[in-house]
Formats: sequence, structure tokens, C-alpha cells
Amino acid sequence: ETGVTQTPRHLVMGMTNKKSLKCEQHLGHNAMYWYKQSAKKPLELMFVYSLEERVENNSVPSRFSPECPNSSHLFLHLHTLQPEDSALYLCASSQAGHSYNEQFFGPGTRLTVL
Amino acid sequence: SQQGEEDPQALSIQEGENATMNCSYKTSINNLQWYRQNSGRGLVHLILIRSNEREKHSGRLRVTLDTSKKSSSLLITASRAADTASYFCATDKGAQKLVFGQGTRLTINP
Repeated sequence: ETGVTQTPRHLVMGMTNKKSLKCEQHLGHNAMYWYKQSAKKPLELMFVYSLEERVENNSVPSRFSPECPNSSHLFLHLHTLQPEDSALYLCASSQAGHSYNEQFFGPGTRLTVL
Repeated sequence: SQQGEEDPQALSIQEGENATMNCSYKTSINNLQWYRQNSGRGLVHLILIRSNEREKHSGRLRVTLDTSKKSSSLLITASRAADTASYFCATDKGAQKLVFGQGTRLTINP
């Protein structure tokens, strides 16, 4: 395991549910990311937070709502999802301003939308 | 748009053999990184090569970068069963944004 933790590891939800994914990094980084990984598709960047400000919102539907209360925590709030949103959601962190943007990933949350 | 594209999509070799994976990209980069992902898990950073470097080694890994051809290769020597995983290249153009390819699924047969 890396210094990035994600909870829950598995989540099954109905389309009308509201749930949240949590990510915590213990590496002292100041940038955090949400990615979506679907079968047979490249890793899709969803959101980037740098110094607790959102700097990237990659045309993600509004049913996904990120929150970054501090540099160590990142949430992804989910509501009225669709079955095609089923995927592995990965959180990552890095040190913003560093020349080399090496990212450290959490183990992911496997989301299934029924 | 997708920046890195790996080739082949899947590779199966015998333990002890070398594995070579390739990555092509379209625009200029600051650096290129390789990551490994075990099934259903997060990605793990393997190695980074800067745009002004041509080759880099780390243990059994060797990465090359040809900026004129916009391509990179990852060589794993003396493969082991534990090397079975998916391998992704990621291009860094700055602004804290990495763009990942679709990955090569590597299987090492005992």
C-alpha cells in the first residue's frame, strides 16, 4: 500500500442514492487528483486540486462533486449516478510546483451502480 | 485527447524472458513516466525519464525516450511472475496533468 488511502474499497449503489468517496494522503503533498478507470479505456482525469483549489475539471458531469477541505483530504460526492458510471475510481497525490509530477495512487474504490 | 498509446495491448511471455513495451505520444512533453498496476489496484510509479534524457535504468527496468519519434520503450529484463500487471506510460506536459495511455497487459507464465 502507498501513502494514499481510499475508502470504501467497494461500493454498490442505486441510481437514486447519494454516497461519498474519501481519499487521504499521508505524504505531505499539496495536489490531489480523481481519476476514473473503466474497462478497456485509458485512465480519465476527472479533477485536480492544487493547494486546495480546483484547477482542473475535465468536463465531468455534475452528478460528481469533488470537495477538498484541506491538502490531505479529498472527497468525491456522488448522486443520481448512471450504470455507466460503474468503474474504479482512483485518487492520487503529488507535490505541486515540483519539476517532476510523480503521482502516488491509492488502491481505488470499485463502484458499481445498479 | 489521448496522449500516450501503448503497444502491444497484451503481452504474454515465459518467466526469465525479457518484456518490451512501447509508448507513442503526439505532442511535446516535459517528461514521460511509466506506472504499473496490479489487477484492480492503484498505479505504482516505476520510472521517470526527462525530455532531455535518452535512456534510464532502474534495477531490471530500462526506459528509452526518442523525442524525434515521440516514442518510449520500457524493457523489463529477466521477468518474474510478480511482474504480471498492466503497464502504463504517462506524458507530463506540465500544469500538474498527466495523460495516461491505455496500457499493456503483461502476463508472465511460470
